[in-house]
Amino acid sequence: QVQVVESGGGLVKPGGSLRLSCVASGFRFSDYYMSWVRQAPGKGLEWISYITSRGTNVYYADSVKGRFTISRDDAKNSVYLQINSLRAEDTAMYYCARLAGWPNFDPWGQGTLVTVSS
Amino acid sequence: QSALTQPASVSGSPGQSITISCTGTSSDVGGYNYVSWYQQYPGKAPKLIIYDVSNRPSGVSNRFSASKSGNTASLTISGLQAEDEADYYCSSYTSSSTPVFGGGTKLTVL
Repeated sequence: QVQVVESGGGLVKPGGSLRLSCVASGFRFSDYYMSWVRQAPGKGLEWISYITSRGTNVYYADSVKGRFTISRDDAKNSVYLQINSLRAEDTAMYYCARLAGWPNFDPWGQGTLVTVSS
Repeated sequence: QSALTQPASVSGSPGQSITISCTGTSSDVGGYNYVSWYQQYPGKAPKLIIYDVSNRPSGVSNRFSASKSGNTASLTISGLQAEDEADYYCSSYTSSSTPVFGGGTKLTVL
């Protein structure tokens, strides 16, 4: 079935870095835009980045621009999020989602938790 | 890009209908027929329940319907059931070629 599975979250100190991964299956990965959305504890959804098919273009929310980098490897059906210079306010569940049209995030993964704390 | 405006909470009794509003601007909700809605249970990932303003994905109950007028989109749940108790989020395409979410609405079934 169509699904995406995230990994790579964890506990990291302020100023640290992490690389999140998302592996997709059940659909022709190279045809789709892919996105990352995060949700801080007890808060709402925040779109943070998406990458177009073939990685032609990337977009970021202002809150992460310059610190986060999205990339994809179509050969591995994977999308990545490199997150640098982490701050306490980056603590959140990070979801990977396929963009099946605008702004149709479907499906979503189960999320990977990033905790920034000293 | 500012978040779309949703009521923080709504409630209704079983069998009733409720409507959740999602207000944006002409640069997002009002400018495009690209509004989607998501249902999220506690501790779970969101699920797409409406796309392109008013279309339901396969498998989503027809008790969920949605529309848009001007800069405001609306999600209506009819015949409210206990299982509908969840958080609901709207999302819209924007003139920046990026998506934006609403702040979310907690639905309580009384």
